[in-house]
Amino acid sequence: RKEVEQDPGPFNVPEGATVAFNCTYSNSASQSFFWYRQDCRKEPKLLMSVYSSGNEDGRFTAQLNRASQYISLLIRDSKLSDSATYLCVVNYGGSQGNLIFGKGTKLSVKP
Amino acid sequence: DTAVSQTPKYLVTQMGNDKSIKCEQNLGHDTMYWYKQDSKKFLKIMFSYNNKELIINETVPNRFSPKSPDKAHLNLHINSLELGDSAVYFCASSQHQGNSGANVLTFGAGSRLTVL
Repeated sequence: RKEVEQDPGPFNVPEGATVAFNCTYSNSASQSFFWYRQDCRKEPKLLMSVYSSGNEDGRFTAQLNRASQYISLLIRDSKLSDSATYLCVVNYGGSQGNLIFGKGTKLSVKP
Repeated sequence: DTAVSQTPKYLVTQMGNDKSIKCEQNLGHDTMYWYKQDSKKFLKIMFSYNNKELIINETVPNRFSPKSPDKAHLNLHINSLELGDSAVYFCASSQHQGNSGANVLTFGAGSRLTVL
């Protein structure tokens, strides 16, 4: 069964805090992984891809643990503008790709 | 220039009606999708087309019929609308990346359908 599981939150944090989200996936054959961000009443947008070696983009760090089948997203020095829902996305592979979205983790950064 | 545009943005209609949502992308992508996001915010794929050919058809009632006249357009027609069809429908596109399947999606702004 294809599943991507996330803690729905909400995570309520003060500005400047460090916050981490985890995501687990059920299919060990999954090939590629992403974090998307969705603002309220907007479309999802790619935040970053997740590579096996881990990758960083400014205040955002994504890591992949294939053995345990989980993906994480770390946000350092949270800003008010980081408030959004963060969607974990897993590609279950195949030549055409089939992206499975988690239900999202809601983050609210307070002043 | 909007990369993925879908119309209408809002649609309010009565049960039993038939409605269509249109989607166009100007990114030159070869794959287009329809996703449904329900009231619980769960985003679920409905259909995927690659170069006008249907490649993913998840368990969706046959009242939903996608049509792709060319690779830049993917429309969604819904017959006999039901209350449970109320949701936000997102069109998306991507460029096929081969067997790595590393498709990055670009979404349209969504079409919010309300069935009364």
